[in-house]
Amino acid sequence: AQSVAQPEDQVNVAEGNPLTVKCTYSVSGNPYLFWYVQYPNRGLQFLLKYITGDNLVKGSYGFEAEFNKSQTSFHLKKPSALVSDSALYFCAVRDGGSQGNLIFGKGTKLSVKP
Amino acid sequence: DAGVIQSPRHEVTEMGQEVTLRCKPISGHNSLFWYRQTMMRGLELLIYFNNNVPIDDSGMPEDRFSAKMPNASFSTLKIQPSEPRDSAVYFCASSPPGTSLFFGPGTRLTVL
Repeated sequence: AQSVAQPEDQVNVAEGNPLTVKCTYSVSGNPYLFWYVQYPNRGLQFLLKYITGDNLVKGSYGFEAEFNKSQTSFHLKKPSALVSDSALYFCAVRDGGSQGNLIFGKGTKLSVKP
Repeated sequence: DAGVIQSPRHEVTEMGQEVTLRCKPISGHNSLFWYRQTMMRGLELLIYFNNNVPIDDSGMPEDRFSAKMPNASFSTLKIQPSEPRDSAVYFCASSPPGTSLFFGPGTRLTVL
């Protein structure tokens, strides 16, 4: 069965510093990987996805993620964090290829302090 | 496009009452998903449809929950009778094939 793991419940970063939110995955076949962000009292917003191609994927709001097949990881990164990046971040894998549902990690709360 | 539309945004009801949540997916999307989010369990898939047909309802907690998609532009999630443990935020999402899901704003359900 497909699954993702987010090992950190919370990540704290100072504004202007680089940030990394970790995600590892377990899939059979080719992975369809996603990152979503959820701001308080809002729905989930799509940030980026990896389907195939370059291992470094660029997404919204300056975020990027690196697909690493040997380490089965898909970490979310940003070179310089903003206070407004503070939110809940979810890694997800699409079950059953392109048509299946999204299986989400438990989420990582990112807190960026001024 | 207005995005995925959910109604109501907030619902407060008493235990035993019937609750109906509604979703209008983005036009042209052929898949629709219902998720539930709680602090304890995170995001859980309840059911999803492809081309209006239920594909996987294994996440539906019990017979009190039912979902329908009578056409490509409308879906409902019904809880009858509701219980306090059903209190959560319920999200609807839609997608075209092979791409990301687009989520609605959610319905915050409180069952007293």
